[in-house]
Formats: sequence, structure tokens, C-alpha cells
Amino acid sequence: GESVGLHLPTLSVQEGDNSIINCAYSNSASDYFIWYKQESGKGPQFIIDIRSNMDKRQGQRVTVLLNKTVKHLSLQIAATQPGDSAVYFCAENISNAGGTSYGKLTFGQGTILTVHP
Amino acid sequence: GAGVSQSPSNKVTEKGKDVELRCDPISGHTALYWYRQSLGQGLEFLIYFQGNSAPDKSGLPSDRFSAERTGGSVSTLTIQRTQQEDSAVYLCASSPRTGNYNEQFFGPGTRLTVL
Repeated sequence: GESVGLHLPTLSVQEGDNSIINCAYSNSASDYFIWYKQESGKGPQFIIDIRSNMDKRQGQRVTVLLNKTVKHLSLQIAATQPGDSAVYFCAENISNAGGTSYGKLTFGQGTILTVHP
Repeated sequence: GAGVSQSPSNKVTEKGKDVELRCDPISGHTALYWYRQSLGQGLEFLIYFQGNSAPDKSGLPSDRFSAERTGGSVSTLTIQRTQQEDSAVYLCASSPRTGNYNEQFFGPGTRLTVL
């Protein structure tokens, strides 16, 4: 899950294993939940998003699960590869009072994923 | 095609000096965002542009921070009278005017160090 401060959660896995990265959110009004990946020295890169009225969405080697009851979001990466090593951020996109979303994203603290060959 | 570019990549300045950070978004992207990332932290929203206008400046930390966008393209973030707490990586992102803006394309960032 996410944490506050400088000590990011870490996850170490072996190449080929499945990885699960967790995120707890607090705002029930979020319309979308998004996962980004940030490699060292680079800007974040979009992975996948899920609308708040869904509970599961699959992409290429990734699955995002949303549990609104406990306000929990997870990213599952199948057959994790060394190139997946990065910091993973969950983010929320909340519409404004007029119901329009313009991409003001609120990011969590991040989880460091390390994949060992 | 070319992605989002930012300059300079690194900036070291003395406390009290002004700095300008530049962002070149992907051509044709109408939405542009500035975020700040402090060491070991997530990204903090600063400001959003749609075209040349900034409907949401709510994330700017103080009146020392300002940003503009000209020609619906290049944006500059200006920090006046820099303080040590301004030290961070400043990230710019752009997004096309389609969909829900969840997919933002980020530049590599400008690392600002205030001595």
C-alpha cells in the first residue's frame, strides 16, 4: 500500500513471477483510477486506467482491480520482467463540480518494484 | 514522434534568485500540466492549461509561482525569489483534447536545486 513520507513501500520479485502492487485511496468521488510507472530519471508513463463503476480491467500483462467497498486499488503484473523495475504510482482523477474531468490527477506516494533476473 | 521536452534538465540556483523552466508539449496537445515531485514523494499538481488559458491554478504553492503558455504550445513556469523548499523535480505533461485526460505524456523533468 501507500505510505506517507520518504520511505516508499518496496516489492522485490523474481523474473517470471507475478507482482501485485497495492494502493489505498480516500476520495470516494474519484471518477477514474490510474496507474503510472516511473523509471529512474524519467517522467511517469501511463499504464492503465479504470473507471469507478468498474471493478476489473485488463491490459497487456497487467490487470487493475478496484474494490470500492474498502477503497483499494491494485495492479497485477503477469510474468514480471527486469524492465518492469520502476516506481509505480496510483492516481485519481476527480471531475469538477460541473462533472467535467480535465486531468487534475492526485498521485499516491509510490511503490518501488525491483525485479531480479 | 517527439515527446514532451523540458529545459533545462538541471538547474542550480541561489536562494532569492528567479528561475524559468520551459516545457515543449507534444504538437497538437491542447492540455498541459505542471507537477512538482519532491524527493521520494508522489507528484503534486501545480497548474493546468487548456490552450493558452489556465482554468486551474489551485496547486501553485504561493504567489512566487506563475506560469504562462503562448500559442497553445510552449509553457514556462517561473519561480521568483526561490527558497530552499522549492527544490524538487518539476514535471510537465501534455494530453490531447480527447477522452478523459487520464493518459498524460510526461517530459523528463527539470531538477531544481536551491542552495
